[in-house]
Amino acid sequence: SQQGEEDPQALSIQEGENATMNCSYKTSINNLQWYRQNSGRGLVHLILIRSNEREKHSGRLRVTLDTSKKSSSLLITASRAADTASYFCATDAYGNKLVFGAGTILRVKS
Amino acid sequence: DVKVTQSSRYLVKRTGEKVFLECVQDMDHENMFWYRQDPGLGLRLIYFSYDVKMKEKGDIPEGYSVSREKKERFSLILESASTNQTSMYLCASSSAWLVGGYTFGSGTRLTVV
Repeated sequence: SQQGEEDPQALSIQEGENATMNCSYKTSINNLQWYRQNSGRGLVHLILIRSNEREKHSGRLRVTLDTSKKSSSLLITASRAADTASYFCATDAYGNKLVFGAGTILRVKS
Repeated sequence: DVKVTQSSRYLVKRTGEKVFLECVQDMDHENMFWYRQDPGLGLRLIYFSYDVKMKEKGDIPEGYSVSREKKERFSLILESASTNQTSMYLCASSSAWLVGGYTFGSGTRLTVV
């Protein structure tokens, strides 16, 4: 019952460039969240956007949500080597139970 | 610093053993979750709990059971470990209304030989 699908599966960019990751989902949601996972570690919550919001910012992160297209994007501006990680979107289509996508692997080269 | 603590980072067990994975949170969260993560498959929900002594099956509960006797502790039990249960296991907790999203533990990498 995978709800979120991230695109691309992997992304490699130079330090200082922007990174954009996309997420599509299938059913109506209350909110969509983005998480980061450094290699071999747990996930860290980055940002939550509610279904009645279209855009949200947090530091160098910008998230957009288009409920008509059932899609979201995560933009990381001025990327750093420390941003190298896997990024997951998650949706709450089933109450408090989040469903995660397979993730985008981001590599930022210095 | 609020956190979710998983008892082991790495664990090696033999086929057929009963395995206990422990998770403790200090945030007074109502909800707790167990996921397993495998390459190419993302995170899959095994079991979750909304309250003490309450549990619900996730997407892949077969071969697993859970226990939540206290609010802060959620245990995952592999009744008879098998090699296809070799995986990264992630515990998470959240408030009842998902305020602030999930807080994850660092994970337990379990190898069944």
